[in-house]
Amino acid sequence: QQQVKQSPQSLIVQKGGISIINCAYENTAFDYFPWYQQFPGKGPALLIAIRPDVSEKKEGRFTISFNKSAKQFSLHIMDSQPGDSATYFCAANLPTGANNLFFGTGTRLTVIP
Amino acid sequence: GAGVSQSPSNKVTEKGKDVELRCDPISGHTALYWYRQSLGQGLEFLIYFQGNSAPDKSGLPSDRFSAERTGGSVSTLTIQRTQQEDSAVYLCASSFTRRAAYNEQFFGPGTRLTVL
Repeated sequence: QQQVKQSPQSLIVQKGGISIINCAYENTAFDYFPWYQQFPGKGPALLIAIRPDVSEKKEGRFTISFNKSAKQFSLHIMDSQPGDSATYFCAANLPTGANNLFFGTGTRLTVIP
Repeated sequence: GAGVSQSPSNKVTEKGKDVELRCDPISGHTALYWYRQSLGQGLEFLIYFQGNSAPDKSGLPSDRFSAERTGGSVSTLTIQRTQQEDSAVYLCASSFTRRAAYNEQFFGPGTRLTVL
């Protein structure tokens, strides 16, 4: 059972446009929601993360929007650039237990010039 | 400081052969994870090590897969009698574990396994 559902599977955006990736979850015990960015041939790396007590977090052109009541969160990339082309994974963290980070299935973003 | 390293970076093997994939985690990280990423797919959890505790093997897809972690540091993922469906990128990650907190996972570059 997929703990975190991510969409779309792939996304093509024009340079300068806004890229939006959505994730949803069911387990209200999740307490931290990171996004990982993976470039071809590399391992994923932490991009930005949010806690459920805030509705938005912005770092540069990257913003996470969090809707606790809907159990949804999304990544917005403003002024998308070709260098943003990568695969993006959302994830959700449980505060207890051993292996406690659950990943979405990933979104392959392509930003065309 | 060095990040997570994995070797080899690429491995091509024949069906039926055994392979060993190595992961060197970040020094001081007590948790180590193995994931599998098939072409264009997400991250499939395989196995998790935490200190000296028994590993969480719940993600291993078959008994052909096994892993060990020696001395709480280096880990080896072994796939016996490889099959073509084992072809994927195998990613290792490590984290510094704190209780009841978010523990960022740091990933290695992966080993691309191709089974002919």
